[in-house]
This record gives sequence, C-alpha cells and structure tokens, in this order.
Amino acid sequence: AQSVTQPDIHITVSEGASLELRCNYSYGATPYLFWYVQSPGQGLQLLLKYFSGDTLVQGIKGFEAEFKRSQSSFNLRKPSVHWSDAAEYFCAVGASRDDKIIFGKGTRLHILP
Amino acid sequence: DAGVIQSPRHEVTEMGQEVTLRCKPISGHNSLFWYRQTMMRGLELLIYFNNNVPIDDSGMPEDRFSAKMPNASFSTLKIQPSEPRDSAVYFCASSLGELFFGEGSRLTVL
Repeated sequence: AQSVTQPDIHITVSEGASLELRCNYSYGATPYLFWYVQSPGQGLQLLLKYFSGDTLVQGIKGFEAEFKRSQSSFNLRKPSVHWSDAAEYFCAVGASRDDKIIFGKGTRLHILP
Repeated sequence: DAGVIQSPRHEVTEMGQEVTLRCKPISGHNSLFWYRQTMMRGLELLIYFNNNVPIDDSGMPEDRFSAKMPNASFSTLKIQPSEPRDSAVYFCASSLGELFFGEGSRLTVL
C-alpha cells in the first residue's frame, strides 16, 4: 500500500527567502505524486502533479517540485516566498490518476515579515 | 463550472443523531472521494467511487458510517448514530485525472 511522509510539521521562513518542503513516499511502482495547499477554512487546491516525463514539474503560484526515484522523494520548492504563501501543504500519492490518493499529515508554513 | 459542492457547510448535532452530508461532484468527473480531516489524524480517505461504484471503503471507520452514490451527480455520507469523536471536517472531492475538493462540511457532535 502506498504511504506518504512529510517529516516537518511546521516550517518558518522569512518573506523573500527560499523554501523547500520535504515529502517521501512509499509505493512499489511508479507513483502519481501531488502537492496541495490548504488555506484556513478552505478546501485543498492542487499546486502541481507528477505523472511521468520530466522529473522537475512546475506548478501554480511559482512552486516547483522534483521527483527523485532513488530517494523516493518529491520535495516542493519556491525560490522566494510571499506572506500569502502561509498555509498548510500536503503531499499525496496515488497508484493512477483516478485511484485512491493518500495524503501526508501536512506541513504548516509560517512566514516571518 | 461551480466546482464540487458540499452541504451543509456546518452541522452541529447531538450524540446519537443521524447526520447526512451531501456532495455534488463536478460534471463529467468519474471518480468521487470522501475524506475526513482532523488535527490528530490529518486527511483520511474514507471511501471512493469510480463510475458510481464503491471501489474501496476500507477507510470507513465502522458500521455507523455509510456512503452512497445513486447517480453521477450526487453522493451522500451518512453517520448513524453520530458520536462526539466523529467531529471533523468532511471533504468530498471529484476527479478526472486530478482531485478537485469541495470546501468541506464541518461536523460538530455534542
């Protein structure tokens, strides 16, 4: 069965600094990988996804993520964070596009002015 | 498109009462998922449907929980009887290659 680990529960960065949120997955075959963002009181919004092809994927709001099969990782990055990026971020894995998607426990991002 | 629509947005009920949460997926999406979110357990997949057929309900906590999808445009999640530990935000999501989430139904069982 697939699983996702987000080792950092909270991350604090200064506005304008770079960001990397970690995600490790467990799945026997090539996984379908996702990053979602959730603002307080809202549903989850897709930032980006990886199905196949180029291992560096670009998403919305200036985010990118890199799939590294050898490390079973799919870390999310942004070169310069904005105060509006403060939210909770979830990494997720699935066996196919419409198969069940399993989420990590999330990383809450705090931005210092 | 209006997106995934869930109702009610908020529900406060007393222990032992029946709760029904509703979801209207995005038209044309062939998969529908019910998730529960709590601080302690994060986002848990309860059940998912593909073409209106339940595929995996292994995440449903116990027999008090049931879900139906009578047609492609409607699904319900029912809890009967409800208990305080069921208090959570319940999300519905539909998919045609990627998940689109509703805004959730916040359930409080007193």
